[in-house]
Amino acid sequence: NAGVTQTPKFQVLKTGQSMTLQCAQDMNHEYMSWYRQDPGMGLRLIHYSVGAGITDQGEVPNGYNVSRSTTEDFPLRLLSAAPSQTSVYFCASSYTPTRQGLKAFFGQGTRLTVV
Amino acid sequence: AQKVTQAQTEISVVEKEDVTLDCVYETRDTTYYLFWYKQPPSGELVFLIRRNSFDEQNEISGRYSWNFQKSTSSFNFTITASQVVDSAVYFCALSEARAGGTSYGKLTFGQGTILTVHP
Repeated sequence: NAGVTQTPKFQVLKTGQSMTLQCAQDMNHEYMSWYRQDPGMGLRLIHYSVGAGITDQGEVPNGYNVSRSTTEDFPLRLLSAAPSQTSVYFCASSYTPTRQGLKAFFGQGTRLTVV
Repeated sequence: AQKVTQAQTEISVVEKEDVTLDCVYETRDTTYYLFWYKQPPSGELVFLIRRNSFDEQNEISGRYSWNFQKSTSSFNFTITASQVVDSAVYFCALSEARAGGTSYGKLTFGQGTILTVHP
């Protein structure tokens, strides 16, 4: 049981390049989400998904695309990388057991630098 | 819209001191959940606690304790007799519960408090 697996762990991109951050979970959770972490700003929600084929925007969606063709995978695409997208990215997988609120599981993070 | 504020950007203490990390939240929902996460220097997020809005009981777990007060919208975290291994960034977070109790997996995080414990 691997939990939430993010790849790669580190990435350096040139401005204008595109890339996909991968996220996979093996817990059959319906909810998945992407956050970015910047100094002094905590983690901010980029996009989230409530099930296969259903995605929606979070707080900071510009410059990112997502899709969810399977329950397990939720990739994050940077269409044309910009230095402002230099950040640490976390993928989360979660579910809501009755009256226990949200149980979220985070990946190890991807440190992305755009030069 | 929901919001979480951690007023302390950085705290520095000497080992064995007690330290309290403040967290104030805003939400329009009557049912919600509050969390604390720890992020050690290695970078992963470590879950510490989840608290339901309808349960105002304080909780103690070893050297950690949490004080939840709905009247002041606060969910403060105290570390007693701090240790060097407690040095980390600590995040407070909020999840609203929609009808049926689901928040669609969305968390709103505070800015984080960097705690440094010196030997």
